[in-house]
Amino acid sequence: QVQLQESGPGLVKPSETLSLTCTVSGGSINSGSYYWTWIRQPPGMGLEWIGYISYSGSTKYNPSLKSRVTISVDTSKNQFSLRVRSVTAADTAVYYCARGLGSGWTDYWGQGTLVTVSS
Amino acid sequence: DIQMTQSPSSLSASVGDRVTMTCRTSQTISRYLNWYQQKPGKAPKLLIYDASSLQSGVPSRFSGGGSGTDFTLTINSLQVEDFATYYCQQSDSSPITFGQGTRLEIK
Repeated sequence: QVQLQESGPGLVKPSETLSLTCTVSGGSINSGSYYWTWIRQPPGMGLEWIGYISYSGSTKYNPSLKSRVTISVDTSKNQFSLRVRSVTAADTAVYYCARGLGSGWTDYWGQGTLVTVSS
Repeated sequence: DIQMTQSPSSLSASVGDRVTMTCRTSQTISRYLNWYQQKPGKAPKLLIYDASSLQSGVPSRFSGGGSGTDFTLTINSLQVEDFATYYCQQSDSSPITFGQGTRLEIK
């Protein structure tokens, strides 16, 4: 059974960089044709796709965030990571990591981690 | 970006009812329309992918349909555990986008 777990600071100051890591267990991050995905949800609001890194190492980002976002993978640790630069209060959200496949649907999700941007 | 519009935004129903909710896309997409269920404080759960394929482990009372720009999620014989918020998602083109959600409440 594949499991994903987000980790990282719950509080980030405005203008700084938000950094989260997703640890994948129950399977190798290298195996299969998967898209390792980040999605976020501001409190009380809907879901926003941030982007993914594919099994081949290519990345795709939401243009609304593209200039500020980097997704990377560390296969030796079976982890993938998210960095969002120059954060503002609008980046306050629950951040989810997930496994994508096929056209991009996501079948396994982490439990989510709340990141608050505040001084 | 492909805009997603879900209707209704909220829906009241009783246990045992059959309900249908709709997702409309701003442009024609292939079959790459997915449905998720989210309960408060939990991650979304995949129900349907590629418009009508039932995800493994999801009860058969859930079904998806539609094509082009109009898609539906139907739940037959509602159970207590089905009261939640439902989101559609298009994965036809980047960026992947979600609808705003349909909240299913107990009548």
